[in-house]
Amino acid sequence: DADVTQTPRNRITKTGKRIMLECSQTKGHDRMYWYRQDPGLGLRLIYYSFDVKDINKGEISDGYSVSRQAQAKFSLSLESAIPNQTALYFCATSDGGKKSYEQYFGPGTRLTVT
Amino acid sequence: AQSVTQPDIHITVSEGASLELRCNYSYGATPYLFWYVQSPGQGLQLLLKYFSGDTLVQGIKGFEAEFKRSQSSFNLRKPSVHWSDAAEYFCAVGGGSYIPTFGRGTSLIVHP
Repeated sequence: DADVTQTPRNRITKTGKRIMLECSQTKGHDRMYWYRQDPGLGLRLIYYSFDVKDINKGEISDGYSVSRQAQAKFSLSLESAIPNQTALYFCATSDGGKKSYEQYFGPGTRLTVT
Repeated sequence: AQSVTQPDIHITVSEGASLELRCNYSYGATPYLFWYVQSPGQGLQLLLKYFSGDTLVQGIKGFEAEFKRSQSSFNLRKPSVHWSDAAEYFCAVGGGSYIPTFGRGTSLIVHP
């Protein structure tokens, strides 16, 4: 089984709808991240969490919110989706105890907003 | 602030040829450096990493990278490319913030 899972894998939604992307991990890592990937722009950080009580904005947090329900779960919400949020979204984890920065990625969620 | 530049958006090589993907970073202290690979339809997978010590690091799938402090570079190399190496490659730099910064990626195309 995959260490980092994301659901759904693909989603098409309409402008103005609320949508939640979910991430679960079995690696036992304390740190979790949400990125979006757009062609030619690489990965941009949306939010990150170093533990259940610690949530931080990344470089492109506007229009997004997150919830860290447990150490193993980190959800990303689009409160009112807009077309320019169409992208590939990745969840990642890392082990803060090792202080190694190495991240483990989920398979991604392809989101299309029409 | 830390940053990463991958100068090549696309690289095309023939199968069996050697490969070098360029990565330049900006960071005030000794950086933590990474190369990740993203195969089509998949998430990112770590190829190799540099934290300290030997500046030539070996990774998975036959890849290696060399840290050159004087050039602020961490180029990825492979002596003989296989068709299965076609993918997107990302360089990343980490530092005191514990949040790696990723480059924009280089798409590798392999011709038979």
